[in-house]
Amino acid sequence: DQQVKQNSPSLSVQEGRISILNCDYTNSMFDYFLWYKKYPAEGPTFLISISSIKDKNEDGRFTVFLNKSAKHLSLHIVPSQPGDSAVYFCAATVHRGAQKLVFGQGTRLTINP
Amino acid sequence: NAGVTQTPKFRVLKTGQSMTLLCAQDMNHEYMYWYRQDPGMGLRLIHYSVGEGTTAKGEVPDGYNVSRLKKQNFLLGLESAAPSQTSVYFCASSPPEATVYGYTFGSGTRLTVV
Repeated sequence: DQQVKQNSPSLSVQEGRISILNCDYTNSMFDYFLWYKKYPAEGPTFLISISSIKDKNEDGRFTVFLNKSAKHLSLHIVPSQPGDSAVYFCAATVHRGAQKLVFGQGTRLTINP
Repeated sequence: NAGVTQTPKFRVLKTGQSMTLLCAQDMNHEYMYWYRQDPGMGLRLIHYSVGEGTTAKGEVPDGYNVSRLKKQNFLLGLESAAPSQTSVYFCASSPPEATVYGYTFGSGTRLTVV
């Protein structure tokens, strides 16, 4: 039972345009959501997070939007750059105790020149 | 600033062999985790620890054991390796504020069981 789903295995975007990566979750107990970026042969690196009490969080070119009623979040990257080409993982957790992360399957983003 | 270091980086095992994966962190983090990554399945939690001397099961613990005898180290053991344990293994650590700052991951161990 996949509690966090990323339904798009891959996404291709032109350099300079907006990249939008989507994520859905089923567990209403999740109250924190995070995005990670992963390059080949490296571990995931933390990008941005959002609490369930917010609907938007912004950090430079990265913005995460949360729609609690739809159990949906998205990551916007504007403008997209070649170095953004990577696999992006959405993750969710309950903000208590061990704060174990539940990950989606990942979306491979390719930025084309 | 090493962060989280995993050893070894690559390993090939025969079915039935045993091995231990070592994770070391130098950030004084309380929490440590072991995940495995398989194609199309994202990262799944194997075991985790909320402090020295404590361990707990995650989503996919069968076939693995862990120990955290020192705060900075978290060991993952495979007693009798099976082909289904072929995967990339990631260790991570975090402070209690992980939801704000995120975990710090190691670079992974690619394990093949033949």
